[in-house]
Amino acid sequence: AQTVTQSQPEMSVQEAETVTLSCTYDTSESDYYLFWYKQPPSRQMILVIRQEAYKQQNATENRFSVNFQKAAKSFSLKISDSQLGDAAMYFCAYTGGGSQGNLIFGKGTKLSVKP
Amino acid sequence: KAGVTQTPRYLIKTRGQQVTLSCSPISGHRSVSWYQQTPGQGLQFLFEYFSETQRNKGNFPGRFSGRQFSNSRSEMNVSTLELGDSALYLCASSLDGTRGVNEQFFGPGTRLTVL
Repeated sequence: AQTVTQSQPEMSVQEAETVTLSCTYDTSESDYYLFWYKQPPSRQMILVIRQEAYKQQNATENRFSVNFQKAAKSFSLKISDSQLGDAAMYFCAYTGGGSQGNLIFGKGTKLSVKP
Repeated sequence: KAGVTQTPRYLIKTRGQQVTLSCSPISGHRSVSWYQQTPGQGLQFLFEYFSETQRNKGNFPGRFSGRQFSNSRSEMNVSTLELGDSALYLCASSLDGTRGVNEQFFGPGTRLTVL
């Protein structure tokens, strides 16, 4: 069975600094997708960034980028120029290529941003 | 385009009762997935519906059930409520739910408290 592990329950970053959230996963599938979701205190989960396993290039969305190490099964999220609005729970998630509507989530990392 | 809506937002029930939660997906989305979020277990997949058919199911007891209507709106039902069913129930919709390329858009959730 596939698993997703986030080893950092809580992280803190100074405003305007850079922070990296870690995520590792375990799978025997070759076709899969990885995601980072953000859940602010308002609870609305939103997609931050996604990575297709078959793409070697790391995904980037504005201040958010990933370091995808397929062989190591590692998928970390880097947030540059951190802003107060980045404070939230961040979840790493996995879905297999043939899965139907089933995201497997890590336990999450609570990110605090200090002014 | 309106986002995913869930009703009610908050619900208080007592043990033994049953409850029905509703989810309206984004217009044009045909796949609806349900997740349970608790502090202890994190985010867990309940089931996914597509074109009124349950295509995928997580590891939850039969007390948890759902359905989808022809307009893609979905309901989930929990019978014989237990204290452990207290959770945030999230609904997510996507175009067809197949493969990770179809991003899941989450609703705000229904906070269920069982007393």
